[in-house]
Amino acid sequence: SQTIHQWPATLVQPVGSPLSLECTVEGTSNPNLYWYRQAAGRGLQLLFYSVGIGQISSEVPQNLSASRPQDRQFILSSKKLLLSDSGFYLCAWSWGLSEAFFGQGTRLTVV
Amino acid sequence: DQQVKQNSPSLSVQEGRISILNCDYTNSMFDYFLWYKKYPAEGPTFLISISSIKDKNEDGRFTVFLNKSAKHLSLHIVPSQPGDSAVYFCAASRGNKLVFGAGTILRVKS
Repeated sequence: SQTIHQWPATLVQPVGSPLSLECTVEGTSNPNLYWYRQAAGRGLQLLFYSVGIGQISSEVPQNLSASRPQDRQFILSSKKLLLSDSGFYLCAWSWGLSEAFFGQGTRLTVV
Repeated sequence: DQQVKQNSPSLSVQEGRISILNCDYTNSMFDYFLWYKKYPAEGPTFLISISSIKDKNEDGRFTVFLNKSAKHLSLHIVPSQPGDSAVYFCAASRGNKLVFGAGTILRVKS
């Protein structure tokens, strides 16, 4: 069966510090991978999606970047965090036209 | 540009009654629609989906209706149970892109 791992579960980082959130998927090959953010009291905003290694589509201009160094690994990064980067970050995977399966999320607080 | 809209931020329903959650979309190219349920501090879990070639899909207590001409879909939960209390997200996809609405908080009162 397929599983998705996302870590860490919670993270408190100072403004201006770097960020690296990692997501890995097991039990499948060539999945579509997604990063979403849920800001306080708001919906799920699609940040990045990837259909293959090295292929990243960015949905909104922001202080974040994503990379896919391996087929089942998706990384969300920032060089310098802003207060507005605080939120609940979710990684997800899917096979093309099908439902997406989510990780447990990372609660990021920038202080 | 918010392509998927859930205009009701919250809904309160009595246990045993019907819950109706609504969703509107603007992009007529979307061809697959989904509903997710989310508890605090957890990832969303898939509930039910519908292809654009259908107008109804049913799974137990959950039924999704799609009105393509109105670009509207709805999720019906009958009968509603206290355990259904959660945030419900509508999502739409075309190809590899999956876009979510802002969510509706459902509270089922016992």
